[in-house]
Formats: sequence, C-alpha cells, structure tokens
Amino acid sequence: DTEVTQTPKHLVMGMTNKKSLKCEQHMGHRAMYWYKQKAKKPPELMFVYSYEKLSINESVPSRFSPECPNSSLLNLHLHALQPEDSALYLCASSQDGTVTDTQYFGPGTRLTVL
Amino acid sequence: QKEVEQNSGPLSVPEGAIASLNCTYSDRGSQSFFWYRQYSGKSPELIMFIYSNGDKEDGRFTAQLNKASQYVSLLIRDSQPSDSATYLCAVGRSSASKIIFGSGTRLSIRP
Repeated sequence: DTEVTQTPKHLVMGMTNKKSLKCEQHMGHRAMYWYKQKAKKPPELMFVYSYEKLSINESVPSRFSPECPNSSLLNLHLHALQPEDSALYLCASSQDGTVTDTQYFGPGTRLTVL
Repeated sequence: QKEVEQNSGPLSVPEGAIASLNCTYSDRGSQSFFWYRQYSGKSPELIMFIYSNGDKEDGRFTAQLNKASQYVSLLIRDSQPSDSATYLCAVGRSSASKIIFGSGTRLSIRP
C-alpha cells in the first residue's frame, strides 16, 4: 500500500483564520515532507521531518508551522496567511529521508486564502 | 543555470508513437533520478526511478541515464491519450539532502 492521505481536500480561509492541514501514512515510512505547488510550477519543498525531527526548513515564513506528532502523522498549522499563499499543498513520505528514497505524494489540499 | 532543466513543451506526439522526454542536471554529485507524472489538478505520481547509468524498462516506460552527459530521459512507447500530462524530472543529491524538481514538460498525445 503506497497511500498517503491528506485532509481536507479543499480549504478556503480568511487572512485572520487559523487552520491546519493533516497528512497520514501507514507505510512505515520515517520521513515526511510538505511541498507547496503553484499553478504550472513544480512542487517547492517547505519542510522535511526525518524520524519525527524537523531536518529541513526551507526558510518558510513563520505563518506556516509544521508538526509531526508521530511517525505516521504530519500537520501544517496555518495562521495569518496571505492571498499569495493560495496553492496546492502536497504531503509526501519516504522510507527514511535519504535522496535515493522514493517519495510518495498524497492527493494534496487545495488552499484558497481570501 | 537551473539545477534541473526540462523543456516546458507542450510536446505533441501522435497516438501509438514514442514520446521522448528529456532532463539535464547541473550537479555531477547527483545520485538519484525520478520521473513523476502529474495530471492537471492532481498530485505527482511516480513513474520510474533510476540510479545507475544505462536503461531501465518498466512496461511501456524506459528511463535512460547518462551521468557523464548529466542527462536523463524518459521514453514512452505506444503513447496513449491517457499519457497526456505534465512529466516532472526530479534529481536527488546528498549535499542538499533533498530532491530538486525540474519545471516539467507538458506532453499531449493526439489521437
């Protein structure tokens, strides 16, 4: 089973709202990723958790706050977002976070910030 | 120079023909190479990965890697309309501890 699930599928929020995106995998993978993808652009890495520790933060603004409660779950907490943050947010997981690992993507959350 | 370069397309190929997608990368220390397919509005789906020089075949798909030329390609035989999508090349290098995506090539298979 190579399934990564993400909820919600769609999210519309105002600039003053606080919301969270959720991601779950049951493949026993120990690395999980958040990517942001704008239309007609490639996925852009935001954060990497390896063995439940934050290993990469790609200088993402603090209005995005990741959390990894356990090896199967990954959250992205959103606060005071801007309209330009509207995008497809993708979660991925891989065996242990090495660059030879295959990353498997979830279906994504389509976020619209009004 | 971008780290991973792809022709954005669109690449138009008749149904049943071979589609050839190309990708070049700048870092000679790159170790792993992935091809993902992405339909409009959907998430990337892994097609193939390759680590060693040469060809790797899986069904209608063949990945080719030439590390000396810093070049990786994906061939799709017997192209079908369902192959119409954007194909993302991704390259992994240990020095960055991450994979770098190219901007993608849009492929259109015409009936």
